[in-house]
Amino acid sequence: DIVMTQSPDSLAVSLGERATINCKSSQSLLSTSNNQNYLAWHQQKPGQPPKLLISWASTRESGVPDRFSGSGSGTDFTLIISSLQAEDVAVYYCQQHFSEPITFGQGTRLEIK
Amino acid sequence: EVQLVESGGGLVQPGGSLRLSCAASAFSLNNYWMHWVRQAPGKGLVWVSCMNGDGSIKHYADSVKGRFTVSRDNAKNTMYLQMNNLRAEDTAIYYCIRGAGYILDVWGQGTTVTVSS
Repeated sequence: DIVMTQSPDSLAVSLGERATINCKSSQSLLSTSNNQNYLAWHQQKPGQPPKLLISWASTRESGVPDRFSGSGSGTDFTLIISSLQAEDVAVYYCQQHFSEPITFGQGTRLEIK
Repeated sequence: EVQLVESGGGLVQPGGSLRLSCAASAFSLNNYWMHWVRQAPGKGLVWVSCMNGDGSIKHYADSVKGRFTVSRDNAKNTMYLQMNNLRAEDTAIYYCIRGAGYILDVWGQGTTVTVSS
């Protein structure tokens, strides 16, 4: 199984500041057949189900604000929120969509400082 | 609007069974992979099972293999998760999710399963 490890476990950032969440996989998520990275990011706000933000490491879902961006390749990935808003308070999970079993990172709790 | 509505959760004793349902609207289950993911109280997300569009491929997490079975009823556009021999560690919110392959793109609201005597 592919192990996904996020850092940090929790993060407090001031409104308007940048938040950075890291995700590392135990094996490469880069496919040699299509040169795509099979990595997604989900956001779970308190009391709500998760919501897909980004797939293919950097492709934002429709309607996701452009302050959210994903980057990385191979085994190291990053989610950046460029200017934190109050509504971004949530737990963020990375997920590999490379192979089954699908696996998630342990989550990063993002709060306002 | 694409929507998934889970039902069937509840309180069950250890060793008991439950069948969860996931009703889809505004799209056909035939055309998508469908997944179940669970979340124990205060914990992270754990993938449980999935099934491809025509139901010919099914995968299960090791922790539920042999106890859980995923199925579908195309006429009702509904997916099911039959859960047998339930254990305390199966206590969780169970989410039904539409998949673009293994990309989990639409999540239901979830249904809560509690296994306790």
